[in-house]
Amino acid sequence: ETGVTQSPTHLIKTRGQQVTLRCSSQSGHNTVSWYQQALGQGPQFIFQYYREEENGRGNFPPRFSGLQFPNYSSELNVNALELDDSALYLCASSFRAGVTYEQYFGPGTRLTVT
Amino acid sequence: QKEVEQDPGPLSVPEGAIVSLNCTYSNSAFQYFMWYRQYSRKGPELLMYTYSSGNKEDGRFTAQVDKSSKYISLFIRDSQPSDSATYLCAMDSTASKLTFGTGTRLQVTL
Repeated sequence: ETGVTQSPTHLIKTRGQQVTLRCSSQSGHNTVSWYQQALGQGPQFIFQYYREEENGRGNFPPRFSGLQFPNYSSELNVNALELDDSALYLCASSFRAGVTYEQYFGPGTRLTVT
Repeated sequence: QKEVEQDPGPLSVPEGAIVSLNCTYSNSAFQYFMWYRQYSRKGPELLMYTYSSGNKEDGRFTAQVDKSSKYISLFIRDSQPSDSATYLCAMDSTASKLTFGTGTRLQVTL
């Protein structure tokens, strides 16, 4: 059984650019959630995807968007990058929506915006 | 006021000590309570989750929930240097998202 994987591991972007982060969910899991973790803070919920539909969104602007594919992998897209977007972006999967108590996290993508 | 409050530490203890980590919360709708461990530059790893008030034990770890006081704890017995990490409490009310504390950094010294 493979765990949650994310790519890339880290990247550096310039303010105003766009970025796409990728996540492959754990085998058998159909729900993916994305979180942003700023340095020294706990993760903050961005949104969740269940069966290719958005299933809940946190307090993030529309320039944060996502997709889920038929194989349950997912992308997080961020447009018009700002300096405050620098953070560790975490993807978590669970075997169905509503089972947040068994969410398993990937290693994260560290994004630096300069 | 944050929904979940957690002392960021750092907390330094000698090997073999009992560690107590705590969170308080304000949202009465929280139903599930989780503890995650996060090593530096890694993703959070689920340690335990509880639903009701009371204690739940798993090896050296005990999770405690007091819903009447809106207070949860994680106890680590016989702490080891490998337990050195940041411990995050997390809570769920909407069944779609987790609300995390800021994390407590723990250092177990030899």
